[in-house]
Amino acid sequence: SQTIHQWPATLVQPVGSPLSLECTVEGTSNPNLYWYRQAAGRGLQLLFYSVGIGQISSEVPQNLSASRPQDRQFILSSKKLLLSDSGFYLCAWSDYLNTHEAFFGQGTRLTVV
Amino acid sequence: DAKTTQPPSMDCAEGRAANLPCNHSTISGNEYVYWYRQIHSQGPQYIIHGLKNNETNEMASLIITEDRKSSTLILPHATLRDTAVYYCIVRVRLWDNQGGKLIFGQGTELSVKP
Repeated sequence: SQTIHQWPATLVQPVGSPLSLECTVEGTSNPNLYWYRQAAGRGLQLLFYSVGIGQISSEVPQNLSASRPQDRQFILSSKKLLLSDSGFYLCAWSDYLNTHEAFFGQGTRLTVV
Repeated sequence: DAKTTQPPSMDCAEGRAANLPCNHSTISGNEYVYWYRQIHSQGPQYIIHGLKNNETNEMASLIITEDRKSSTLILPHATLRDTAVYYCIVRVRLWDNQGGKLIFGQGTELSVKP
């Protein structure tokens, strides 16, 4: 069966420090991968998505970047965190053949202080 | 993607059916209705989706009106573990090779009470 792993679960970082959040998927090949952020309120905002190794699309301009060094690995990074980067970050994957369902990781609660 | 409107919150007694409404009056003919839920501090979980016909799975039932301008998610026997925020989303395909441009909106916070 397929599983998605996201870590760490919680993170407290000072302003100006770097960030690296990692997401890996098991049990599938060539997944579509996504990074979302949930800030104030409940809505989720798509940050990045990837349909293959080295292929990254950004949805909104921001202080973050993403990389996909391996087929089932997706990394969210920042060189210098801002207070506004605080939030709940979620990684998700979907099967490129099944366009109706997506699977989310458990999320990372990031607090920038 | 069509806009959806949901009540911000609802209560339901444990063991009773929970009926969560969603309005999507501008839905296009090729757009699906999706439902996800998010339990506090966890990732969203897929529940069900449909196009025209009513759908049922092990988690819930989805009732879509004939004109497709509204739908209702039904949890037949709500339990305390069903307490979550429920999101109704309308789009052509939820996930495709053009990117998962998923807009969850604010959803309905369902509280199941003993």
